[in-house]
Amino acid sequence: DAGVTQSPTHLIKTRGQQVTLRCSPKSGHDTVSWYQQALGQGPQFIFQYYEEEERQRGNFPDRFSGHQFPNYSSELNVNALLLGDSALYLCASSFRDIGDTQYFGPGTRLTVL
Amino acid sequence: EDQVTQSPEALRLQEGESSSLNCSYTVSGLRGLFWYRQDPGKGPEFLFTLYSAGEEKEKERLKATLTKKESFLHITAPKPEDSATYLCAVLKNTPLVFGKGTRLSVIA
Repeated sequence: DAGVTQSPTHLIKTRGQQVTLRCSPKSGHDTVSWYQQALGQGPQFIFQYYEEEERQRGNFPDRFSGHQFPNYSSELNVNALLLGDSALYLCASSFRDIGDTQYFGPGTRLTVL
Repeated sequence: EDQVTQSPEALRLQEGESSSLNCSYTVSGLRGLFWYRQDPGKGPEFLFTLYSAGEEKEKERLKATLTKKESFLHITAPKPEDSATYLCAVLKNTPLVFGKGTRLSVIA
């Protein structure tokens, strides 16, 4: 049973560029959440997708956007990259119930120069 | 504002030296409390979910407990492979609210 997968593993971009990160949920899961984790901090919620719609959003600017596809996979897009966007981006999947356990992928390490 | 505070920030133990990690929270309407283990540069690995005060769960050398204000992760006779950052998160609705974690080092 495949767990949550994310691509790419690492990414280096320059300020002002745009980036797309990808996530495939665990088999049987239909809900995808994205988190940003800065070094030495806990993950911070970006947004959650369910039934191809954004269900809830954290305190992140509109430069952060997402999408969920009919097969439940998801993308995170970040426009106009800033140095402060450098972080580990984590995708978590769960099954529709809000109280369900979220399982995390290995993350994408984004470095903005 | 919902808050999760973990202590200590870092903990260094000798192999076999048991200890506890603390997670205190100020959340009304808690729907669940989650413990994760995270190795450097990796995604968090799920350990436990606790839903109500008084609940306990165990897995190998780890035992998690929950009260109305805090949760403890007890580590019995730890081994070097238990070295990691342990994250606590609370669920009210979405999203999960995480603490900053406790960085555990177990020395042989």
